[in-house]
Amino acid sequence: AQSVTQPDIHITVSEGASLELRCNYSYGATPYLFWYVQSPGQGLQLLLKYFSGDTLVQGIKGFEAEFKRSQSSFNLRKPSVHWSDAAEYFCAVLLSGGGADGLTFGKGTHLIIQP
Amino acid sequence: GAGVSQSPRYKVAKRGQDVALRCDPISGHVSLFWYQQALGQGPEFLTYFQNEAQLDKSGLPSDRFFAERPEGSVSTLKIQRTQQEDSAVYLCASSLGRRSYEQYFGPGTRLTVT
Repeated sequence: AQSVTQPDIHITVSEGASLELRCNYSYGATPYLFWYVQSPGQGLQLLLKYFSGDTLVQGIKGFEAEFKRSQSSFNLRKPSVHWSDAAEYFCAVLLSGGGADGLTFGKGTHLIIQP
Repeated sequence: GAGVSQSPRYKVAKRGQDVALRCDPISGHVSLFWYQQALGQGPEFLTYFQNEAQLDKSGLPSDRFFAERPEGSVSTLKIQRTQQEDSAVYLCASSLGRRSYEQYFGPGTRLTVT
C-alpha cells in the first residue's frame, strides 16, 4: 500500500530564513504528488502538485517543490518565510494508475515562525 | 458559491446519538470526497462519489458510517450511534472530474462525541 512520511512533526524557522519540509513516499510507480497547507480552523489549500515533466514545480505563495525519483522524495521549499506561513503542511499522494481515488496524506509538519 | 462549504462547522453529540454532516461542493464539480482528520493527524480518505454514484467507500471505518449524494451535488455523511473514537474533523472535497486530481477542500466539521 502506498504511504507518505513526513519525518518532521514540528519545524521552527526564523522569519526571513529559508525553509525545507521533507516528504517521502512509498509506492512502486511514480504517484501524483501534492502539498497542502492548513491554517487553524481552515480547510486544506493546495500549494502545488506534480504529475509528470519538469521535476521542479512552482506553487502559490512563493513555494516550490522538487521531485526526486531516486530518493522517493518531494520536498517543499521556500527561500524566505513570512510570519503568515505559520501553519500545518501536508504532503499527499494519489495512485497514478487508477485504483484508490482518495489522497493519502502524511501526518503533517507544524511550521512555527520565530520573529 | 465560490468554494466548498460544510455545515455545521461544529457539532457536539452525546455517545449513541446519530449525526448528519452536510457538504456543498463547488458548482459543477463531478467528484466529491469525504475525509476524516483525527487530532494531530493527516486526513484519511473515507469515501468518493462521482455524481450520485458512490464509487469507493473503502475508507469508511464501520457500518455506522453512511454517505449519500442523491442528486449529484450536495452530500451528507451520516454517523449512527456515535462513539468517542468518531471525534474528529470531517473534511469534504470536490474536484472537476474523477481524474482531475486537484481537490478543493471545505473548512470541515469538527465533531466532538461526549
